[in-house]
Amino acid sequence: ELKVEQNPLFLSMQEGKNYTIYCNYSTTSDRLYWYRQDPGKSLESLFVLLSNGAVKQEGRLMASLDTKARLSTLHITAAVHDLSATYFCAVGWGATNKLIFGTGTLLAVQP
Amino acid sequence: NAGVTQTPKFRILKIGQSMTLQCAQDMNHNYMYWYRQDPGMGLKLIYYSVGAGITDKGEVPNGYNVSRSTTEDFPLRLELAAPSQTSVYFCASSQLWTGSGNTIYFGEGSWLTVV
Repeated sequence: ELKVEQNPLFLSMQEGKNYTIYCNYSTTSDRLYWYRQDPGKSLESLFVLLSNGAVKQEGRLMASLDTKARLSTLHITAAVHDLSATYFCAVGWGATNKLIFGTGTLLAVQP
Repeated sequence: NAGVTQTPKFRILKIGQSMTLQCAQDMNHNYMYWYRQDPGMGLKLIYYSVGAGITDKGEVPNGYNVSRSTTEDFPLRLELAAPSQTSVYFCASSQLWTGSGNTIYFGEGSWLTVV
């Protein structure tokens, strides 16, 4: 059974600081997604990582994938309040592209 | 730019009632999915479909039914609603996985409360 674990579950950080969210998964997969969800809203796609060593960056967010370790990270650089949200990783599998989600990381950036 | 459209956005049901959550996409995607999100949790797959007339169970299918008569529509039916079905329901769609990275598009969500 494929399991996806994220940590931490809750992260309170000050503006300007750096931090990393970790996503571990239990079975080999060829794709890893990162989503952002604001309260009461739908999911916004951030990154799709497809290969070992893949790194993608958008603004203050950078995601990486290590398929051998079954680990993805989402690194936040110089956090700002606008980044406050819940971040989910999800592992895709099969030709049908079903997703198994982590439990999410609630990020609160304090001024 | 409709994308994935879900209705209704909010609904309160009494225990034992039935209802259908509607989902439509205008991107000609073959694959459609229904997920549920319980408070403070990630999404779990209820059912999915790979094309008109073809559906299959996901992780948590009990208490739900689906049909796919057209490419565009993928309704989710709740029979005999129970409090455990109180959740936020998301419909999603995507193209066939090609290995080069497919965006999965999510609807705005449907908030369902069973009392």
